[in-house]
Amino acid sequence: DAKTTQPTSMDCAEGRAANLPCNHSTISGNEYVYWYRQIHSQGPQYIIHGLKNNETNEMASLIITEDRKSSTLILPHATLRDTAVYYCIARGVYNFNKFYFGSGTKLNVKP
Amino acid sequence: EAQVTQNPRYLITVTGKKLTVTCSQNMNHEYMSWYRQDPGLGLRQIYYSMNVEVTDKGDVPEGYKVSRKEKRNFPLILESPSPNQTSLYFCASSLKGYGAEKLFFGSGTQLSVL
Repeated sequence: DAKTTQPTSMDCAEGRAANLPCNHSTISGNEYVYWYRQIHSQGPQYIIHGLKNNETNEMASLIITEDRKSSTLILPHATLRDTAVYYCIARGVYNFNKFYFGSGTKLNVKP
Repeated sequence: EAQVTQNPRYLITVTGKKLTVTCSQNMNHEYMSWYRQDPGLGLRQIYYSMNVEVTDKGDVPEGYKVSRKEKRNFPLILESPSPNQTSLYFCASSLKGYGAEKLFFGSGTQLSVL
């Protein structure tokens, strides 16, 4: 699976959009981009995933660049409860079993 | 409610005393996996199972055992725990273990080995 690079930490004001970037310049054609988050020491929580097209669900939007070398997770109206570590993962559809969680981005949502 | 259930949430034990951390899922998932999480090292896979009676080592299997006798359960066994196994453990499951699937995690087990 392609390596992903994320900033170590980011701040966001409550009520504003949080835009979390992820670089995956070596991603291959069959690799999906997944986003998970971990609040304190709880189990990681699935947010969204996509292959080529932008995706949106009730939690967030995922914007993938046309060359697929980077993506951005958007939380449209961040709340204090969105403070967490966010993980960007590139995972091939033929890769049995493995999700590789790197260091992630610590998002601090401030009042 | 669809979920992965781990027990116990917290466990303190002493070196060498065998313990089992249970994991159960109610989603009829074929794939189950165990991770440990340590500061600065992220989540590392211990063992995984693609189906009943099918298990394999992950990245850090030493000192651990697993079994998959039933589809819903995937217990993690530490036969002789040591202090370096003090960690936060997560069980996870998904439908098949490949493809564009979501991985569902349990709420974690914080283990301290004294």
